[in-house]
Amino acid sequence: DAGVTQSPTHLIKTRGQQVTLRCSPKSGHDTVSWYQQALGQGPQFIFQYYEEEERQRGNFPDRFSGHQFPNYSSELNVNALLLGDSALYLCASSQTGTSYEQYFGPGTRLTVT
Amino acid sequence: GNSVTQMEGPVTLSEEAFLTINCTYTATGYPSLFWYVQYPGEGLQLLLKATKADDKGSNKGFEATYRKETTSFHLEKGSVQVSDSAVYFCALSYSGNTPLVFGKGTRLSVIA
Repeated sequence: DAGVTQSPTHLIKTRGQQVTLRCSPKSGHDTVSWYQQALGQGPQFIFQYYEEEERQRGNFPDRFSGHQFPNYSSELNVNALLLGDSALYLCASSQTGTSYEQYFGPGTRLTVT
Repeated sequence: GNSVTQMEGPVTLSEEAFLTINCTYTATGYPSLFWYVQYPGEGLQLLLKATKADDKGSNKGFEATYRKETTSFHLEKGSVQVSDSAVYFCALSYSGNTPLVFGKGTRLSVIA
């Protein structure tokens, strides 16, 4: 059973550019959440997608947007990159209406120069 | 709002030493509590959880008890190994579909 997968593993971008990160949820999961983990910090919730719509959103600017596809996979888009966007971006999946567990992928390390 | 506070690291222990990492939370109602572990260069793995007061979560020799009266969920292990070296995060949420709220993490280094 494949767990949560993310691509790419690492990414280097320049300030002002745009980036797209991808996530495939664990088999059987229909909900995808994205988190940003800055160096030395705990993960911070960005947003959550369910049934192809954004269901909840954390305290992140509109430069952060996302999408969920019919197969439940998801993308995170960040526009007008800032140096402060450098972080590990984690995707987590879960199944609506079941247990309390969110399963995390290995993350995408984004470096903005 | 909801928040989690955990002891600051780094924590350095010798192999076979006893481990305690303190975690307290502020939340309304009755959240579920979690410990996640992050090994170098990897994502987060769920270590253990507790969903109601007085529950004890346990896994791989680690355990934590949900203490409603002290709003705490301290992580303990009786005898740490070098392979336990990682960053440990305490977190809370209200269901699998509500955001996890994490503490800042505690780095543990175990030396042989």
